[in-house]
Amino acid sequence: DSGVTQTPKHLITATGQRVTLRCSPRSGDLSVYWYQQSLDQGLQFLIQYYNGEERAKGNILERFSAQQFPDLHSELNLSSLELGDSALYFCASSPGPVSGNTIYFGEGSWLTVV
Amino acid sequence: EDQVTQSPEALRLQEGESSSLNCSYTVSGLRGLFWYRQDPGKGPEFLFTLYSAGEEKEKERLKATLTKKESFLHITAPKPEDSATYLCAVQAGGQNFVFGPGTRLSVLP
Repeated sequence: DSGVTQTPKHLITATGQRVTLRCSPRSGDLSVYWYQQSLDQGLQFLIQYYNGEERAKGNILERFSAQQFPDLHSELNLSSLELGDSALYFCASSPGPVSGNTIYFGEGSWLTVV
Repeated sequence: EDQVTQSPEALRLQEGESSSLNCSYTVSGLRGLFWYRQDPGKGPEFLFTLYSAGEEKEKERLKATLTKKESFLHITAPKPEDSATYLCAVQAGGQNFVFGPGTRLSVLP
């Protein structure tokens, strides 16, 4: 158990809908990262927050947004969903912003868009 | 642009047959190289962090080594429970992690 908690574990929704994925980082970690992993695809970095502020942005679509709250939990919002958005979405956390910190992953939220 | 490649893409071993997985990287200013294990449908599980060339780390049947251009994950006398995808990632400068595509390892009894 990495200490990173993600909910929900599984989600099935229709195209055009909006969903919110939730992540609680490990105790004491200030950075939260979101990754997408499609079937047979590698881990794609979406976005990082550090202590409530956006720190880095990767290949995140404009239909997707995220935020980190004062209690350090984070939410990833996915809107106008398309079939291609079906994937495993992982949250990870680390103590600091970057610079050699190991990041620890949650078990993921499996999103299926039908 | 920072790049990470892994080879082989897939590897089948008999139980007890030792082998090595390779991770080659092209980055400016390596801050850390990380190995993870991922089981199907699960989150990547942290294995090792290596920071400088020449560094080695061991855990049970796994040993990770690092040079200036690549890292190896040596698996000694593997067991079926070692079957998983092994991911390598690098972190350079102020940038975020770049993950390789992974090596799918199958260990047959």
